[in-house]
Amino acid sequence: DVKVTQSSRYLVKRTGEKVFLECVQDMDHENMFWYRQDPGLGLRLIYFSYDVKMKEKGDIPEGYSVSREKKERFSLILESASTNQTSMYLCTSASGNTIYFGEGSWLTVV
Amino acid sequence: RKEVEQDPGPFNVPEGATVAFNCTYSNSASQSFFWYRQDCRKEPKLLMSVYSSGNEDGRFTAQLNRASQYISLLIRDSKLSDSATYLCVVSLASGYSTLTFGKGTMLLVSP
Repeated sequence: DVKVTQSSRYLVKRTGEKVFLECVQDMDHENMFWYRQDPGLGLRLIYFSYDVKMKEKGDIPEGYSVSREKKERFSLILESASTNQTSMYLCTSASGNTIYFGEGSWLTVV
Repeated sequence: RKEVEQDPGPFNVPEGATVAFNCTYSNSASQSFFWYRQDCRKEPKLLMSVYSSGNEDGRFTAQLNRASQYISLLIRDSKLSDSATYLCVVSLASGYSTLTFGKGTMLLVSP
């Protein structure tokens, strides 16, 4: 079975802190994505990557950056966390017609 | 402009009922369609893909109407365990970055 692992499941950070959300997939997928999900707004694409060292902005990239140094790992970085970045963050990898979700990272910024 | 619309619900139905959800999409070039199920505070999980000819998986039937640009999900003989949010997902042919998620329809099945 494909596994997409988000190592940090629940985090509480202070405003202004730098936050790293890690995502690792074990199926050698080239395509990886970061979304955030908020009540009433659904899933929104932050950044995606089709290959190592490649990244593309999604619909809401402001306040975020990403890193893809290795194929299996796609990291989401909040350079200076703000309260409006409190959300659930979902990492996915994709192959063929199938999207695989991580379990989500619940981030609260206080 | 990417847009996928779903009735947020909640749809409250008794066990054993039949319930249907629709999802409309705005981009006529959309090629792939999916229904995902999401339980509270969990990640979405693929329920079924939607094919042009319609497809069925047990109690679940999905259909696509390209002319009217909507997909539907029918659940027969609802179970308590069907209570969840159902997400409609649509994509263009040009890659995963075109995936657009609906905001979901909540289903509550009561005894």
